[in-house]
Amino acid sequence: GAGVSQSPSNKVTEKGKDVELRCDPISGHTALYWYRQSLGQGLEFLIYFQGNSAPDKSGLPSDRFSAERTGGSVSTLTIQRTQQEDSAVYLCASSPGSGSQNTEAFFGQGTRLTVV
Amino acid sequence: QQQVKQSPQSLIVQKGGISIINCAYENTAFDYFPWYQQFPGKGPALLIAIRPDVSEKKEGRFTISFNKSAKQFSLHIMDSQPGDSATYFCAATLNSGGSNYKLTFGKGTLLTVNP
Repeated sequence: GAGVSQSPSNKVTEKGKDVELRCDPISGHTALYWYRQSLGQGLEFLIYFQGNSAPDKSGLPSDRFSAERTGGSVSTLTIQRTQQEDSAVYLCASSPGSGSQNTEAFFGQGTRLTVV
Repeated sequence: QQQVKQSPQSLIVQKGGISIINCAYENTAFDYFPWYQQFPGKGPALLIAIRPDVSEKKEGRFTISFNKSAKQFSLHIMDSQPGDSATYFCAATLNSGGSNYKLTFGKGTLLTVNP
């Protein structure tokens, strides 16, 4: 596709259930980010993948959160034993690889997660 | 540690007025400073960006002013329009040396332009 694709666009889950959120980055982009945005709030960094380097997981809020990126392309963010405070919009972004002109991050539309 | 501090948190401007959003950064190695615009229900999108070799960059009604010594940069929206109402995020990254580094975002400013 032409842009970053996230699925599902909306997810309602019961407290305690696990959820998986998917991100398809722009083809050829080596950098991929996950952010969380609560209603009316800023962007909370979660995790960053760059090529084959070890991911920067410094933003993951607890060990219930994990993410992987398979084959340097699709990424999945998994939240285990969801809690109501996990309700937010989860945004994925990708950007091109190395090069001084290639830092622009392209965002997907986000997945709105509601934990009831 | 918040490496990019953005203010104000919200801003209300009358149509035709000037909107000014400020950001300050801590890492002197940062060398790329983009601004993103986000409309409700959408992901943020790049609006304008600047590198520290210039003090100002203008694109249409949008201008970034950059003060390297003060480690500050700001977004000015001239002749603000209701259609500019959105959340604006500043960001910074280290982008030299052929490597791609993580963008660090400010917390955002909700701009409302009244008609």
